[in-house]
Amino acid sequence: ETGVTQSPTHLIKTRGQQVTLRCSSQSGHNTVSWYQQALGQGPQFIFQYYREEENGRGNFPPRFSGLQFPNYSSELNVNAWELDDSALYLCASSYVPPYNSPLHFGNGTRLTVT
Amino acid sequence: EDQVTQSPEALRLQEGESSSLNCSYTVSGLRGLFWYRQDPGKGPEFLFTLYSAGEEKEKERLKATLTKKESFLHITAPKPEDSATYLCAVTLTGANSKLTFGKGITLSVRP
Repeated sequence: ETGVTQSPTHLIKTRGQQVTLRCSSQSGHNTVSWYQQALGQGPQFIFQYYREEENGRGNFPPRFSGLQFPNYSSELNVNAWELDDSALYLCASSYVPPYNSPLHFGNGTRLTVT
Repeated sequence: EDQVTQSPEALRLQEGESSSLNCSYTVSGLRGLFWYRQDPGKGPEFLFTLYSAGEEKEKERLKATLTKKESFLHITAPKPEDSATYLCAVTLTGANSKLTFGKGITLSVRP
């Protein structure tokens, strides 16, 4: 069974740049979620994708956008990174329904914005 | 506003010294409560899901319990390899599986 894989593992960007983070979901899973984890904090929900459509969004501005592909892999796109965006970006997958299935996380992309 | 609070923020134990980690929640419509373990530089690793008050689950030295307002993660005779950050999260009734996390509890177990 292949777990959740994310790329790249580390990224350094300057303010204002655009970047794409990628995620391959665990085999058999049909839902992908993205989370932002600042240092010393719990992960914060960005959004979730189910059947290639956004199915829930947290309190993040529109410059955070995403995609889910037919093979259930996903991308997180951010336009114009800001300093406060420096964090660990986590992707998680699950199979729904039911909606209380545990999420399985990748090891994240560590983003540093300078 | 839905809230998940974990305490203490950090806990240092001697190997073999049992203790409990607390997760209290104030939410409307709890669907499930989850415990995850997170090692430095890694993503959270799923441990348990609890669905209703009175439910208990065990895995090796860990035991999770749930009441109507809080959950406990009991660690019996911990070992240094149990050192990690333990995260509590909840899902609410609704048509997605969004997790609302607490800040986590950093556990250090000294040999």
